[in-house]
Amino acid sequence: DTAVSQTPKYLVTQMGNDKSIKCEQNLGHDTMYWYKQDSKKFLKIMFSYNNKELIINETVPNRFSPKSPDKAHLNLHINSLELGDSAVYFCASSQGQKYGYTFGSGTRLTVV
Amino acid sequence: QKEVEQDPGPLSVPEGAIVSLNCTYSNSAFQYFMWYRQYSRKGPELLMYTYSSGNKEDGRFTAQVDKSSKYISLFIRDSQPSDSATYLCAMSVSSSASKIIFGSGTRLSIRP
Repeated sequence: DTAVSQTPKYLVTQMGNDKSIKCEQNLGHDTMYWYKQDSKKFLKIMFSYNNKELIINETVPNRFSPKSPDKAHLNLHINSLELGDSAVYFCASSQGQKYGYTFGSGTRLTVV
Repeated sequence: QKEVEQDPGPLSVPEGAIVSLNCTYSNSAFQYFMWYRQYSRKGPELLMYTYSSGNKEDGRFTAQVDKSSKYISLFIRDSQPSDSATYLCAMSVSSSASKIIFGSGTRLSIRP
């Protein structure tokens, strides 16, 4: 039973399209995150929600909009996709930092 | 200058060798230090977690934190081919739901 699951695993789409990535965690954690990992493996935080409330919003283009319908779900919608959006997007959850994050297996987005 | 610096490698060592992975950081407010392991096409998984300065040992893994030098290390004893992965250091300021800053990862390969 996957703790943090993301869908889809792979996404290939054309420039200008709008797409969504979904994330669900069954760990009962209060906090969820979206991270972007570029081709050099650098992981950079995008957003964080704590109990459905946005608490971290890094310098991310407005084309990216997270939504948390409940504390077990955090979705990411991307408008007007650009080539530079190609990356692996990871969802993660945590219950305080003491136990670190639990990551999903990632969504590999390719914009062509 | 990035907040967390990590040599990207790749680092290749023979099976059974002791591996030393390191990170330096610039923000003296960091108090919580982690090491994550990421296998190819998978999400990062928490390997070690330490608070403030000192050592922590878990099986073949030892994490060291030297806050005075702003330097952290991960040692792997009796390295195995299954240890081949990318290792990411990570750190945060507080234990509550704040963001974790990741290093760019060191790619490690253990030769049988």
